[in-house]
Amino acid sequence: EIVLTQSPGTLSLSPGETATLSCRTSQSVNYNYLAWYQRKPGQPPRLLVYGASNRASGIPDRFSCSGSRTDFTLTISRLEPEDFAVYYCQCFDPSPPTYTFGQGTHLDLK
Amino acid sequence: QLQLQESGSGLVKPSQTLSLTCDVSGASIRTGGYSWSWIRQPPGKALESIGYVSQSGTTYSNPSLKSRVAISIDMSKNQLSLKVTSVTAADTAVYYCARAYPSYYYALDVWGQGATVIVSS
Repeated sequence: EIVLTQSPGTLSLSPGETATLSCRTSQSVNYNYLAWYQRKPGQPPRLLVYGASNRASGIPDRFSCSGSRTDFTLTISRLEPEDFAVYYCQCFDPSPPTYTFGQGTHLDLK
Repeated sequence: QLQLQESGSGLVKPSQTLSLTCDVSGASIRTGGYSWSWIRQPPGKALESIGYVSQSGTTYSNPSLKSRVAISIDMSKNQLSLKVTSVTAADTAVYYCARAYPSYYYALDVWGQGATVIVSS
């Protein structure tokens, strides 16, 4: 069973700064099946990035991703007030179809 | 525009069955060519995959829950259903249905608002 470990657990930054969030997988994954989500209180997760580096529809280019095999990074440049939320990475295994999520990184306003 | 809406039992007694439905509007389950997933998040814990419905209608359940989970589709109602039997407090969670979009490598691009289920006597 694959395990996704996100770090840091909490990141405190100010608007205008750059956030760097890490997701490490316990085994090598197909980067096509790596996604990132944003979650705000009382709302469902919102897809940000799929295929490790492709932004979903409507996601600004301040959000970028990179990585391969076991190490993936979500970078949020020029933080806006609406960016402060919880971020999850997710891996999909197509056989059998299963989603595994990291435990999340809390991006807090400093 | 695709919208998903979960509904069902909000309070369930231990050992009983949790039942939820997910109404899909804005796209046809039968012809849309999409896959679907049920996800839950217990309080203070990570998101957890419960099950999956493929484009062909085949259903899969998380092995850790498999014997207690039943997922079905009602194409006439454009609806997904989830049942979890023999529930315990560990099944207390917010339950979501979501679309797995093939063009996005099956990332979950549309989510319902979620249904809160509390297991308590």
